[in-house]
Amino acid sequence: QKEVEQNSGPLSVPEGAIASLNCTYSDRGSQSFFWYRQYSGKSPELIMFIYSNGDKEDGRFTAQLNKASQYVSLLIRDSQPSDSATYLCAVNGAGANSKLTFGKGITLSVRP
Amino acid sequence: DVKVTQSSRYLVKRTGEKVFLECVQDMDHENMFWYRQDPGLGLRLIYFSYDVKMKEKGDIPEGYSVSREKKERFSLILESASTNQTSMYLCASRSGGNTIYFGEGSWLTVV
Repeated sequence: QKEVEQNSGPLSVPEGAIASLNCTYSDRGSQSFFWYRQYSGKSPELIMFIYSNGDKEDGRFTAQLNKASQYVSLLIRDSQPSDSATYLCAVNGAGANSKLTFGKGITLSVRP
Repeated sequence: DVKVTQSSRYLVKRTGEKVFLECVQDMDHENMFWYRQDPGLGLRLIYFSYDVKMKEKGDIPEGYSVSREKKERFSLILESASTNQTSMYLCASRSGGNTIYFGEGSWLTVV
């Protein structure tokens, strides 16, 4: 059973701080990694994806991937109250028809 | 923009009823998925289709079936609804091994 684990939450940070969200996965053959944001009562929306080791930046968001250690993280700089949501880590296996496995999510609260 | 449409947003059904949840995507994606999401349990894959008439069981297929007669449409069927199937159901689609896109969700209550 392929597993994706996210660090226990909830996570609370003050406005303007850096929020760090972590995720580990069990399948060494995993090829692509995604972070989704989900507001209460809404469906998940894609924030970032990363395929290669290292960092990938998009605005205030940075995804970090370390395949040797089997972890992927999401950093949110200058956190805003509008970033308050549940963040889901998702991991894709190899191949075009592979399944996407989700972590259970971590709830982030940004205090004004 | 990719659009994944779940036509039924909120449903209330009685135990034992047959329930159909419909999903349509407009991007010619090969892969389509049905998930359910429950508090504390996260997103769990029910069924997956990688092409027309092709389907594969996910992690929790019991009590569900699916139909994919056309590429753009993927239906989830609850043959005999039970109260433990009360949940939010999410449809998603994907091209190849890339990003998946979700519909808005269908909230099902079985009484």
